Amino acid sequence: GQQLNQSPQSMFIQEGEDVSMNCTSSSIFNTWLWYKQDPGEGPVLLIALYKAGELTSNGRLTAQFGITRKDSFLNISASIPSDVGIYFCAPSSARQLTFGSGTQLTVLP
Amino acid sequence: NAGVTQTPKFQVLKTGQSMTLQCAQDMNHEYMSWYRQDPGMGLRLIHYSVGAGITDQGEVPNGYNVSRSTTEDFPLRLLSAAPSQTSVYFCASTPRITSGSYNEQFFGPGTRLTVL
Repeated sequence: GQQLNQSPQSMFIQEGEDVSMNCTSSSIFNTWLWYKQDPGEGPVLLIALYKAGELTSNGRLTAQFGITRKDSFLNISASIPSDVGIYFCAPSSARQLTFGSGTQLTVLP
Repeated sequence: NAGVTQTPKFQVLKTGQSMTLQCAQDMNHEYMSWYRQDPGMGLRLIHYSVGAGITDQGEVPNGYNVSRSTTEDFPLRLLSAAPSQTSVYFCASTPRITSGSYNEQFFGPGTRLTVL
């Protein structure tokens, strides 16, 4: 079956540091989405990638859709306390989204 | 717009009880779905609907039923609750599906269910 691996599982960083997380899959996808979930809330879309090789930025966030269509990464630059939360990759190829297991980010002052 | 709303926010059930988790959206979205979230496992799709009167199974449908009689509402029914169904349940909606891929899904705030 399809395998989706998200890493790292958790990260503890100092405020101001850059962060990088990624997802790899055994399957090809047409879309890669990145979501953030704050405690007690539902996930919120951060970035959507629709084309292999695409590099997209949203403020301090940058994400890329891998050229093989089997992977994606998300970078956060100059982290701030409100970046705390769980980040999910969510690739899609048909009518379903598949969610990664999440990266729990903690930003230390 | 209220977006996607879910009720109740918290629920405790005994094994064998049945209940319905409510989900409603006021954005006229065609596509709605239900996920469950367990620690360390991300979100897993239970059921989804591409429009009123049309539903289909996701990755983990056993023990759950859905119906979509209106565009706005997509309730999730637990037929006979089991401790394995203790989880956080999220409803989501999407305007439409384009080019075989998803547009952004808007998530509700979740229902935290405990089955004793």
